[in-house]
Amino acid sequence: KAGVTQTPRYLIKTRGQQVTLSCSPISGHRSVSWYQQTPGQGLQFLFEYFSETQRNKGNFPGRFSGRQFSNSRSEMNVSTLELGDSALYLCASSSQGGTGELFFGEGSRLTVL
Amino acid sequence: GQNIDQPTEMTATEGAIVQINCTYQTSGFNGLFWYQQHAGEAPTFLSYNVLDGLEEKGRFSSFLSRSKGYSYLLLKELQMKDSASYLCAVKPGGGNKLTFGTGTQLKVEL
Repeated sequence: KAGVTQTPRYLIKTRGQQVTLSCSPISGHRSVSWYQQTPGQGLQFLFEYFSETQRNKGNFPGRFSGRQFSNSRSEMNVSTLELGDSALYLCASSSQGGTGELFFGEGSRLTVL
Repeated sequence: GQNIDQPTEMTATEGAIVQINCTYQTSGFNGLFWYQQHAGEAPTFLSYNVLDGLEEKGRFSSFLSRSKGYSYLLLKELQMKDSASYLCAVKPGGGNKLTFGTGTQLKVEL
């Protein structure tokens, strides 16, 4: 069974640009969550999608947005990039029922110059 | 608000036992998770507690006291490969949103 796949793995952008990150969940998982990981703040929740609907949202500005498609694949977008957006963006999928454990992808490492 | 505290760093000796503590104050509680993250890799699930008590899984055990807002992860028979960051996370409500602590960097030495 394939794991969570995130693309691209690494990218460099400049301030003011926008970026789109993609996540393909484990087959059969309908919940996809996004987290930002930085050395100082740890993992911070961005948002969760379930069946194409945003189910939970973290405390990030409106520049951060996401969506989920009918095949459960998800994208997140960050507009008007700032230096502080440099981070590892992790996607996690989960199945319904059970413990609800998250299965994380390897992440997309974004550097903003 | 949400607050999860765990030590920043710990060092232990190969073959020994180490306990990583986590205290939490969250607006709701629907379970506590422990994840392991090796440098440059994705976090991987270790354990889940929703009721008070001890959950044992091989060399790893996790304990929860909901009344005290406290959990610990116990690692026995430490191996060098256990050197990693250990993340405590609380599910405060419905869905799969987790609130994470900043992680405990464990270094296992010979």
